[in-house]
Amino acid sequence: SQTIHQWPATLVQPVGSPLSLECTVEGTSNPNLYWYRQAAGRGLQLLFYSVGIGQISSEVPQNLSASRPQDRQFILSSKKLLLSDSGFYLCAWSPGLEGYTQYFGPGTRLTVL
Amino acid sequence: AQRVTQPEKLLSVFKGAPVELKCNYSYSGSPELFWYVQYSRQRLQLLLRHISRESIKGFTADLNKGETSFHLKKPFAQEEDSAMYYCALSGRNFNKFYFGSGTKLNVKP
Repeated sequence: SQTIHQWPATLVQPVGSPLSLECTVEGTSNPNLYWYRQAAGRGLQLLFYSVGIGQISSEVPQNLSASRPQDRQFILSSKKLLLSDSGFYLCAWSPGLEGYTQYFGPGTRLTVL
Repeated sequence: AQRVTQPEKLLSVFKGAPVELKCNYSYSGSPELFWYVQYSRQRLQLLLRHISRESIKGFTADLNKGETSFHLKKPFAQEEDSAMYYCALSGRNFNKFYFGSGTKLNVKP
């Protein structure tokens, strides 16, 4: 069966420090991968999605970037964190054209101080 | 522009009462509509999608293209239905998904 992992679960970082959040999927190949930010009262905001290795689409201009170095690995990064980057980050995968359901990871709570 | 609107942040009903969670959308094309649910301490998961016309846990949702709505309904709410509900849409290629801000459903005993 397929599983999705995210780490770390929680992270506290100072302003101006770098960020790397990792997401990996097991049990499937060539998934679509997604990064969302979940903010209270604002729902899920799609940040990045990827339909293949090295293919990244950005939905909103921001201080963050994403990379997909391997088929089932999706990384969310920043060179210098801002206070406004604090939030709950969710990774998800879907089979893409093979299916519509999104499967979500447990999330990472990021606090920038 | 693509947009999903859930006008109610919180909906409180008594057990056994009907419940309707509202969702309106705007999309330039033919969207696929979904409802996702997040129970306490659990991951966000798919509840149902419009194309399958299914009833999951007693919930149904009808796509009304004229009103661009996809409201979620259940005739008799149960306490275990208490959760956060998100309406979402996607294009036919399922590459991008857009979520609403969510409605917290609280079913009181």
